[in-house]
Amino acid sequence: GNSVTQMEGPVTLSEEAFLTINCTYTATGYPSPFWYVQYPGEGLQLLLKATKADDKGSNKGFEATYRKETTSFHLEKGSVQVSDSAVYFCALRSFGGTSYGKLTFGQGTILTVHP
Amino acid sequence: GAVVSQHPSRVICKSGTSVKIECRSLDFQATTMFWYRQFPKQSLMLMATSNEGSKATYEQGVEKDKFLINHASLTLSTLTVTSAHPEDSSFYICSAQGGGNTIYFGEGSWLTVV
Repeated sequence: GNSVTQMEGPVTLSEEAFLTINCTYTATGYPSPFWYVQYPGEGLQLLLKATKADDKGSNKGFEATYRKETTSFHLEKGSVQVSDSAVYFCALRSFGGTSYGKLTFGQGTILTVHP
Repeated sequence: GAVVSQHPSRVICKSGTSVKIECRSLDFQATTMFWYRQFPKQSLMLMATSNEGSKATYEQGVEKDKFLINHASLTLSTLTVTSAHPEDSSFYICSAQGGGNTIYFGEGSWLTVV
């Protein structure tokens, strides 16, 4: 089956700092990577996604490029804000093999941004 | 955009009782819905895949007799935790597959068994 490994947290940054959260995966079939964000006490929200190799997903200042050769989808933001404090999940969905259509999540990275 | 609604958002039940959580796709039809469980500060664990009109497919290690899933219509799937125990306390979240295979998540339901 598929597996997703993302950088362990927690990550603590000052406002306006640069953020990188690494995510790598193993998958069968044709995988599509996603980043989801979970704010305190809430459900999951899709942050960004990519559908094919070298696609760059972007939203709210966050970016991630789907690198098929390194099986990675690292999340970056040039200048974080306090409101970005949340848990970030890297996820993968593929349409082949035994994990057909299912989302597989990484372990989540807690981000705390201080003023 | 597409909306998936879960109800209740929070529920407290007594040990030994059963509790039902609903997952509704509000503006689209979902032939497939997924149920996840999330322990505090941990990732989401897929429990089962629910297909409209057929039996749910459970992931390995998930007790199908304890976590009953019913997907009776194209807009509603339910998860019933039977004979709940304190260890079943968790955050349960559903997702629904819409057009173009896009996944939409519900807001989640906090279950506390006392």
